[in-house]
Amino acid sequence: EVQVLESGGGLVQPGGSLRLSCAASGFTFAGYVMTWVRQAPGKGLEWVAAISGGGGGTYYADSVRGRFTISRDIPKNALYLQMNSLRAEDTAIYYCAKGRGGSNYLLDCWGQGTLVTVSS
Amino acid sequence: EIVLTQSPATLSLSPGERATLSCRASQSVSSYLAWYQQKRGQAPRLLIYDASNRATGIPARFSGSGSGTDFTLTISSLEPEDFAVYYCQQGSNWPNTFGQGTKLEIK
Repeated sequence: EVQVLESGGGLVQPGGSLRLSCAASGFTFAGYVMTWVRQAPGKGLEWVAAISGGGGGTYYADSVRGRFTISRDIPKNALYLQMNSLRAEDTAIYYCAKGRGGSNYLLDCWGQGTLVTVSS
Repeated sequence: EIVLTQSPATLSLSPGERATLSCRASQSVSSYLAWYQQKRGQAPRLLIYDASNRATGIPARFSGSGSGTDFTLTISSLEPEDFAVYYCQQGSNWPNTFGQGTKLEIK
């Protein structure tokens, strides 16, 4: 069964850092684009960052570029999101999503999300 | 960055009725447009890809149309489980972006 499972969320102070992880299983990890999407409480979906199958291409939303870094460890079947200089507006549920085969943008398997709260 | 504008923000309909949701892009996205459904407390689910193709397991009452800047998601006859929030997403340019969502609620 294809699955992705996020972890690493929690409470962090403004200006702090946090690293999210996503464990993938049931598919050939290196063959698919992986994406992070977030959702602030009561708000809509916001695309955050994506990484190509081999890890050579990374893409970011304007709101996080320069502060967040997406990466993947193929032997470990793991996706990461390093978040630095966190702000209150980064408070959200962060979803990890697997790309659909042959597509750069379609997201066909989502985790249940991990909550990040930025507050003093 | 391409901006997607969905309308209406909220749509109130009854089971059995037809629902028409709109998504407009600030510039052409060709056919690189997807629709997702999100129910309360759940992760989103892919419904439609490349503007008009149903994802695996999606009922035939869901259909998508459009190209360029104007897209439509149609639910031909609403079932109780269809009341949810719907998002469009473009994949033409990086960064990919989502619309702000349309909430489909029971009238």
